[in-house]
Amino acid sequence: DAGVIQSPRHEVTEMGQEVTLRCKPISGHDYLFWYRQTMMRGLELLIYFNNNVPIDDSGMPEDRFSAKMPNASFSTLKIQPSEPRDSAVYFCASSLEKRGNQPQHFGDGTRLSIL
Amino acid sequence: GENVEQHPSTLSVQEGDSAVIKCTYSDSASNYFPWYKQELGKGSQLIIDIRSNVGEKKDQRIAVTLNKTAKHFSLHITETQPEDSAVYFCAAQGDMRFGAGTRLTVKP
Repeated sequence: DAGVIQSPRHEVTEMGQEVTLRCKPISGHDYLFWYRQTMMRGLELLIYFNNNVPIDDSGMPEDRFSAKMPNASFSTLKIQPSEPRDSAVYFCASSLEKRGNQPQHFGDGTRLSIL
Repeated sequence: GENVEQHPSTLSVQEGDSAVIKCTYSDSASNYFPWYKQELGKGSQLIIDIRSNVGEKKDQRIAVTLNKTAKHFSLHITETQPEDSAVYFCAAQGDMRFGAGTRLTVKP
């Protein structure tokens, strides 16, 4: 299996621009998670999906952030407009079955820098 | 919600020594406790996990212990090697909360 695939690996853009991060989960995994990692706050859960449906988006910091999962093999996280404080590494992860009782499989992340 | 505290934040050991990382959690309903290893520029990878029906689990040089009464669990790495150097995260996965991470450095 190819694992969780994220793109792009690095993104540098000017503030105010729209940023789109992409994720392909492991085939057959029912749960998909988006995390943000910073030195100050560690690994924060932003949102997770079950069977393509958003279940909990309470970690999404602001209305500037949105996430979609149009099908079982693809998800996006968008930031519009982007701000310098959004600079972080964003991880996507997927897991089997019921959340909380199975390990998560992480992608290699997208390092986002907003200038 | 679930809070997971992890200590220490950094740990430096000599090659061949043991390393211990500890985590505490607050939600007594948690029943699954994974440990992840994150190498530079990579996503976290599961290295070992434990469920609440056991107190200890071992896989070669890595072991995890769980004390449900005290709500803490620990990662033990024996005979450390330089390639063990990484950031380690614990999680009490009932609410997808992770500890803040421990940066382990193994000096050759």
